[in-house]
Amino acid sequence: AAGVIQSPRHLIKEKRETATLKCYPIPRHDTVYWYQQGPGQDPQFLISFYEKMQSDKGSIPDRFSAQQFSDYHSELNMSSLELGDSALYFCASSSPGTGGPEAFFGQGTRLTVV
Amino acid sequence: AQTVTQSQPEMSVQEAETVTLSCTYDTSESNYYLFWYKQPPSRQMILVIRQEAYKQQNATENRFSVNFQKAAKSFSLKISDSQLGDTAMYFCALGGNEKLTFGTGTRLTIIP
Repeated sequence: AAGVIQSPRHLIKEKRETATLKCYPIPRHDTVYWYQQGPGQDPQFLISFYEKMQSDKGSIPDRFSAQQFSDYHSELNMSSLELGDSALYFCASSSPGTGGPEAFFGQGTRLTVV
Repeated sequence: AQTVTQSQPEMSVQEAETVTLSCTYDTSESNYYLFWYKQPPSRQMILVIRQEAYKQQNATENRFSVNFQKAAKSFSLKISDSQLGDTAMYFCALGGNEKLTFGTGTRLTIIP
């Protein structure tokens, strides 16, 4: 079965650079979530989209932005990167209307800021 | 605000034994879902089991089962006949049809 695809899997950036993370949800899933997991921490919700519209917002810095495109893939744009942005970034998708409430996670993008 | 508490940072158990991971939560919602996710060393987040709050029957998935006590807001995970591949971080999560709120996790080690 198709899963959530995230790219790239690993990313190394320098401070003050920009990064773009991509997420391709499971086909027919209409909701995408982004989470940030720092070292030794639990995942923290950043932002979500339902049918290409932002549906909820968590502790996402103003330096970050995200959107969901017409093909339902989503991108998380991160600017002016800081050392503290180093983390594992997960994308998850679900289909509350038809598939149930559970979110299925991608394998994550490991971002290292140096 | 929703909160999830896992009070056992680490646990270890011998292979083939049974282990129970604890989780308590708080929410003002009347309809919600509870989940257990497994995160092995690969860091992949894998759904283990889910429970609908409106269902009294405890969910079961093969060797994994839950003890859902709604009044006490408790949601523990029991792993029977534990296997080496069960070694992972286990996160309890609250949500459903919206963002998930995670607990801080329990690191479970299965000892050969």
